Amino acid sequence: KAGVTQTPRYLIKTRGQQVTLSCSPISGHRSVSWYQQTPGQGLQFLFEYFSETQRNKGNFPGRFSGRQFSNSRSEMNVSTLELGDSALYLCASSFTAGGSDTQYFGPGTRLTVL
Amino acid sequence: AQSVTQLGSHVSVSEGALVLLRCNYSSSVPPYLFWYVQYPNQGLQLLLKYTTGATLVKGINGFEAEFKKSETSFHLTKPSAHMSDAAEYFCAVIRDGGSQGNLIFGKGTKLSVKP
Repeated sequence: KAGVTQTPRYLIKTRGQQVTLSCSPISGHRSVSWYQQTPGQGLQFLFEYFSETQRNKGNFPGRFSGRQFSNSRSEMNVSTLELGDSALYLCASSFTAGGSDTQYFGPGTRLTVL
Repeated sequence: AQSVTQLGSHVSVSEGALVLLRCNYSSSVPPYLFWYVQYPNQGLQLLLKYTTGATLVKGINGFEAEFKKSETSFHLTKPSAHMSDAAEYFCAVIRDGGSQGNLIFGKGTKLSVKP
């Protein structure tokens, strides 16, 4: 079974631009979550989606948005990029959103904002 | 507020020595606790998790962790370190009222293994 895939793996943008990152969960998984990882702040929760509905949102500005499609694939968008948005963005999927379910992480998208 | 504290941002051990990575948490409800490992340029891989039941949890690659409610701890151990264990390790707890996808992570501990 293929794992969680994220595209692109690396991305370079300039301040003020916008970016869209994509995540394809493991086949059959309906829950997708996004995290931002930076050296200073560590791993921080962005969003969680289940069956196309956003269940939870982390403490990030409105420039960060996401969605989930009917095939469970998810995208996140960051508008008006800032230097501080440079980070590794990780996506994780699980079959359900239950606490005992196992989350599987993708390799991440490394975003650099110049 | 909930939090996860990992004591020691860097831990170095010799090959064959005991690995002990410390994690303390705060949670107002019985917690679900996790340990993840991250190798360079990769995502996170689940090592083990505690949900309910037995407080000593065995995971992959010979790692185990013990949930101690009285000490609010969930320390990760491995009896004998291997060079391939060198990586960064993260302890996490599900946010109160949240679900599996809504985790609070510790800052991570980088494990180095000396030959």
